[in-house]
Amino acid sequence: DAMVIQNPRYQVTQFGKPVTLSCSQTLNHNVMYWYQQKSSQAPKLLFHYYDKDFNNEADTPDNFQSRRPNTSFCFLDIRSPGLGDAAMYLCATSWGQKNTEAFFGQGTRLTVV
Amino acid sequence: GNSVTQMEGPVTLSEEAFLTINCTYTATGYPSLFWYVQYPGEGLQLLLKATKADDKGSNKGFEATYRKETTSFHLEKGSVQVSDSAVYFCALSAGANFGNEKLTFGTGTRLTIIP
Repeated sequence: DAMVIQNPRYQVTQFGKPVTLSCSQTLNHNVMYWYQQKSSQAPKLLFHYYDKDFNNEADTPDNFQSRRPNTSFCFLDIRSPGLGDAAMYLCATSWGQKNTEAFFGQGTRLTVV
Repeated sequence: GNSVTQMEGPVTLSEEAFLTINCTYTATGYPSLFWYVQYPGEGLQLLLKATKADDKGSNKGFEATYRKETTSFHLEKGSVQVSDSAVYFCALSAGANFGNEKLTFGTGTRLTIIP
């Protein structure tokens, strides 16, 4: 029944080694979001796609990139992870209207060693 | 810009106690308001929502009423259970261009219920 699926749940990567996190959805939603959540903080939006249109938040570091090859899948690429990038990464989807909720995946916990 | 201010945590209550978590917001236009819950090690789940003034959202014994006059959306539950222990996030969505709708979150309130 899982509707937004993130893989893997836990990812350990080396400092500076590129890493990709994946997200898939069965809801056919137009919009897919990537959030970064550090311990005891609110989720922080990195970017989102409305269909194929990419929308980057102004303060998202260039180190973070995203790809959406089709409606169902979206990837988060971290080109050179630093220790400060260790966090929970949450994928979410929605129809993109203000009165509709977002559906979140279970998240990927990224550790940088 | 849009913002959400949430009651500072952590909050610790005994089982069957009454719960209130305060949430106020600042937004242009007429936002939709949400409460999300996050259990340990998990993503966020929608708990309830309200899309216009005076609407009451409710789910699993939790309630919140959209108060435009006080710009508030306080979360309440009459009798909490140990299973309600989680982090609760208040959020708003403020009606940007279609397809560019984004959630603005409060900082979260950690709730612990002791038996």
